[in-house]
Amino acid sequence: EVQLVESGGGLVQPGGSLRLSCAASRFTFSSYWMHWVRQAPGKGLVWVSRINSDGSSTSYADSVKGRFTISRDNAKNTLYLQMNSLRAEDTAVYYCARVWVGLDYWGQGTLVTVSS
Amino acid sequence: SYVLTQPPSVSVAPGQTARITCGGNNIGSKSVHWYQQKPGQAPVLVVYDDTDRPSGIPERFSGSNSGNTATLTISRVEAGDEADYYCQVWDSSSDHDVFGGGTKLTVL
Repeated sequence: EVQLVESGGGLVQPGGSLRLSCAASRFTFSSYWMHWVRQAPGKGLVWVSRINSDGSSTSYADSVKGRFTISRDNAKNTLYLQMNSLRAEDTAVYYCARVWVGLDYWGQGTLVTVSS
Repeated sequence: SYVLTQPPSVSVAPGQTARITCGGNNIGSKSVHWYQQKPGQAPVLVVYDDTDRPSGIPERFSGSNSGNTATLTISRVEAGDEADYYCQVWDSSSDHDVFGGGTKLTVL
C-alpha cells in the first residue's frame, strides 16, 4: 500500500521558517506529481502548492507565493515544503498528496502552529 | 481566481439519497474530484473525473457535472457516510487547484 508520511511540523514564531518533509514509499515516487494541501483548525481544505514529477514545474496559491517553496528529491523519495515568513494564518495541518487522477493518496498530516 | 461554492451542510435520513452540489462558473468544462473526510482523518478520494470511482469506493457514490454545477450523489446513505465532503478542480487559467468550502453531511 502507498505510504506518505509528513514530518517537520511544530510551533514557530511569526516571521520564522520551517521545512516540512513528506517521505514516500511503496510506489515509484519519481513518476508522480505531488501536492501540499493545508487545513486550518476547524476549517476546510486549501490547496497550497504542486510540483511535477521531475521538479521542473511548480505552482503556488497566491497566499503563499513568494514565501513557500516546494521541491522534491526523487533519489530520496521525499517531497519538501520550505515555509518562510510564516504568519498566524499559516497555522494548519499540512498534508502531502499524490496526484493520479485527483489526489488518490494522502499522508496523515503534520501540524504547523505559528504563534508567539 | 476560480471559486467553488458548496452548501455548508446537508442532512439526510438513513437509506435516503444525499446530493451535495459544487457550483462554479462553467464547471461542466472541468474535471471535478470529490473527497470524503471524517474527523481526525486525512481526506479520501471518492469520485474522480466527474463520475468515476476509485477501487474500494462503494457504488452508492456517484457524480455528475454539467453547466455550472457538479453533484456528488450518495445513495442508500449509511451512518458511516457522515463526514465532510469537498469538491476540487484544476483551473487552467491560473494553473491553480481549487477546493470547495466543504459540506458537512449529517445522517439523521
